[in-house]
Amino acid sequence: RKEVEQDPGPFNVPEGATVAFNCTYSNSASQSFFWYRQDCRKEPKLLMSVYSSGNEDGRFTAQLNRASQYISLLIRDSKLSDSATYLCVVRVYTGGFKTIFGAGTRLFVKA
Amino acid sequence: GAVVSQHPSWVICKSGTSVKIECRSLDFQATTMFWYRQFPKQSLMLMATSNEGSKATYEQGVEKDKFLINHASLTLSTLTVTSAHPEDSSFYICSARENLNEKLFFGSGTQLSVL
Repeated sequence: RKEVEQDPGPFNVPEGATVAFNCTYSNSASQSFFWYRQDCRKEPKLLMSVYSSGNEDGRFTAQLNRASQYISLLIRDSKLSDSATYLCVVRVYTGGFKTIFGAGTRLFVKA
Repeated sequence: GAVVSQHPSWVICKSGTSVKIECRSLDFQATTMFWYRQFPKQSLMLMATSNEGSKATYEQGVEKDKFLINHASLTLSTLTVTSAHPEDSSFYICSARENLNEKLFFGSGTQLSVL
């Protein structure tokens, strides 16, 4: 089992749609959680950190469920510019901190 | 926010040559930098952790003699792909963490194509 697993996608949605991504992690010692966005052949860019209380940044809402070991990202009112790959990232302590990336979920927003 | 500069952006080279990629933290000191490789449609895979002033820590399956890492200062780490072969063609990205800040800042990546 992969340490971090994401919906494989791709997700094809029309503009204005709401789309949700899920991510599960296997190590209960995971301490920090992030969503990154990566455009094709570009570096990943931090979208938002994920907190247990849930957090929102404009059209983006992230949730963390430690008991079930999953993270979610909700995008409301999708824009064409949201088309990208979304990476779930987990930082786990195993004698030292290690950052683990999910394989990413591809999103295509169509006009 | 913090800036990490990576150079060059892309390289095309002949099989057997060595290629050096630089990663610089421009406005902060990074005692630790990370090197990743990404194949098409796959996630980032950590290759090694670069520690300033000491040897790099390589992930399982990554050949340390092939991927030489030097972290000579608090703002510069280099990755040298020695005797590159076509199977080394990939997208290489570095990242750095600003000391205790948990966020990773990434370089813009280097697309390596070995002919």
